[in-house]
Amino acid sequence: GAGVSQSPRYKVAKRGQDVALRCDPISGHVSLFWYQQALGQGPEFLTYFQNEAQLDKSGLPSDRFFAERPEGSVSTLKIQRTQQEDSAVYLCASSGTSRYEQYFGPGTRLTVT
Amino acid sequence: SQQGEEDPQALSIQEGENATMNCSYKTSINNLQWYRQNSGRGLVHLILIRSNEREKHSGRLRVTLDTSKKSSSLLITASRAADTASYFCATDAGSNYQLIWGAGTKLIIKP
Repeated sequence: GAGVSQSPRYKVAKRGQDVALRCDPISGHVSLFWYQQALGQGPEFLTYFQNEAQLDKSGLPSDRFFAERPEGSVSTLKIQRTQQEDSAVYLCASSGTSRYEQYFGPGTRLTVT
Repeated sequence: SQQGEEDPQALSIQEGENATMNCSYKTSINNLQWYRQNSGRGLVHLILIRSNEREKHSGRLRVTLDTSKKSSSLLITASRAADTASYFCATDAGSNYQLIWGAGTKLIIKP
């Protein structure tokens, strides 16, 4: 079956622009996660959804970051007024059971110039 | 902040040799997972070991867990060029959903 997909795969934004990153999880997966991965580092947790409910947004680095999953399937991570330090790969993962393995999308590489 | 630390940061071995990577973590866990990441396939789950397990096998992979030392090791036997990737450990740190990741070990298999 289809895995987790993310779009766009690459995004270049000028500093100050807003960006929207999309995640299509595996159909039927209740849990959805967003991570930020800097070069040479492991993923850092950003936020977690169970169906349409955002249960944890403690990892979002600032109020410029906003995530939603209005119908409990597709999710969007929005970054307003992008800064250079936002440059990273943004990974989305979904899971059928929150405790167990997570299935990752290919990521969106964001470069802020 | 990252919970786990992988050791070594980088490892280069000949094809056919065994590769061992270690992970240390800081807080109590329910389970520990190993993932592989390469440019072709992104992050892929390899194996999960629960806190009450000491060893687990999956194909050429062997994972051990020592909760008293808060450490785990991943052994890849008979390495292949396709094993070239970064390997990460991830723990749930007692949470029922949040994974906390190490910085990874970059493994290079030389033909």
